[in-house]
Amino acid sequence: DGGITQSPKYLFRKEGQNVTLSCEQNLNHDAMYWYRQDPGQGLRLIYYSQIVNDFQKGDIAEGYSVSREKKESFPLTVTSAQKNPTAFYLCASSETGRYYEQYFGPGTRLTVT
Amino acid sequence: KNQVEQSPQSLIILEGKNCTLQCNYTVSPFSNLRWYKQDTGRGPVSLTIMTFSENTKSNGRYTATLDADTKQSSLHITASQLSDSASYICVVSPPRGGKLIFGQGTELSVKP
Repeated sequence: DGGITQSPKYLFRKEGQNVTLSCEQNLNHDAMYWYRQDPGQGLRLIYYSQIVNDFQKGDIAEGYSVSREKKESFPLTVTSAQKNPTAFYLCASSETGRYYEQYFGPGTRLTVT
Repeated sequence: KNQVEQSPQSLIILEGKNCTLQCNYTVSPFSNLRWYKQDTGRGPVSLTIMTFSENTKSNGRYTATLDADTKQSSLHITASQLSDSASYICVVSPPRGGKLIFGQGTELSVKP
């Protein structure tokens, strides 16, 4: 899992509540990413950030929000507007450039009932 | 249609046997193609990386091959171990550092 930490590992919430997933990295990487993983599907990009105070929507950003106030931190908020939030969420970081490798955190499993 | 398709979806083999996982892609050219191993409930970890011009890359008992003509990559696992039980994900990086394209993964189960 390299130098990327995600907390908590398991998270349970009631429907209608917002929840924030933590992601911290000590790899000094400029870029950070949030992915969602569902059974039988490839990882889908939610948001990414290539520099502090800047981020872009990925393929499935609706119902999610992020902030990038510090280089090492990229928290993800799952809002009540997300229709099907139960999933495994992965954070990753990388250097910027053409041949970058993304290093993944251990993931957070969110269950919303 | 997904630009990266993996097969089989799942595979069960006996400990000590070899196996080969397949990845077909439509993204061409690309910067690099990676194979990741993801243990259950954990984040993916990179096994191999190949650029568009490479044909093979090894990492211990893992060997990845690339055929740019047929747009196929394979991951061969030799002398499988119980710890090889995991999901294996093929990932293609488009040129100029675009967003990564993930396959849906192959779930490998190694039985004693």
